[in-house]
Amino acid sequence: DSGVTQTPKHLITATGQRVTLRCSPRSGDLSVYWYQQSLDQGLQFLIQYYNGEERAKGNILERFSAQQFPDLHSELNLSSLELGDSALYFCASSVDGGGDYNEQFFGPGTRLTVL
Amino acid sequence: KNQVEQSPQSLIILEGKNCTLQCNYTVSPFSNLRWYKQDTGRGPVSLTIMTFSENTKSNGRYTATLDADTKQSSLHITASQLSDSASYICVVPPAYSGGGADGLTFGKGTHLIIQP
Repeated sequence: DSGVTQTPKHLITATGQRVTLRCSPRSGDLSVYWYQQSLDQGLQFLIQYYNGEERAKGNILERFSAQQFPDLHSELNLSSLELGDSALYFCASSVDGGGDYNEQFFGPGTRLTVL
Repeated sequence: KNQVEQSPQSLIILEGKNCTLQCNYTVSPFSNLRWYKQDTGRGPVSLTIMTFSENTKSNGRYTATLDADTKQSSLHITASQLSDSASYICVVPPAYSGGGADGLTFGKGTHLIIQP
């Protein structure tokens, strides 16, 4: 158990809909990262927040957005869903935002299925 | 172009045997090299993180080596167990990305299957 929690575990929805994925980082971690993993692919970095502020952006679509709240939990919002958005979405957290030994701890993921 | 290549793509070994997975990279400059284990459908778990000045690092039955001159790393698994069946991913963040602080890029890695 990494200490990172994600809800829900599974989500099934229809094309065109909007969903929200939630992540709670490990106690004391200030950074939250979001990744997407499509079937048989490697994890793709989407976005990072550090202490409430957006710090880095990866391959995140304009239909997707995220935020980190004062209590440091984060939400990833996915809108106008398409079939290709079906994937595992992982959240990771780390103590801070820099350094060679900045280890990221991954949550169990949310499996999103778009029908 | 910054690339990371792992070999083999997949590997099947018998329980109790040792194995070595390879990672070649062209990322330059790089800050650190990380090995992760990912069970199917679960989040990756960090095994080792090495900076360019480190040659070897162990984590239980896992030992990673790094040769920064030849840009090669290996992950050696000793006395394999059924629970070692997973994908093993080598991640090499470019130095300009804050050493991985700005998010990591994961390949598909090596898919290892341990047979009883």
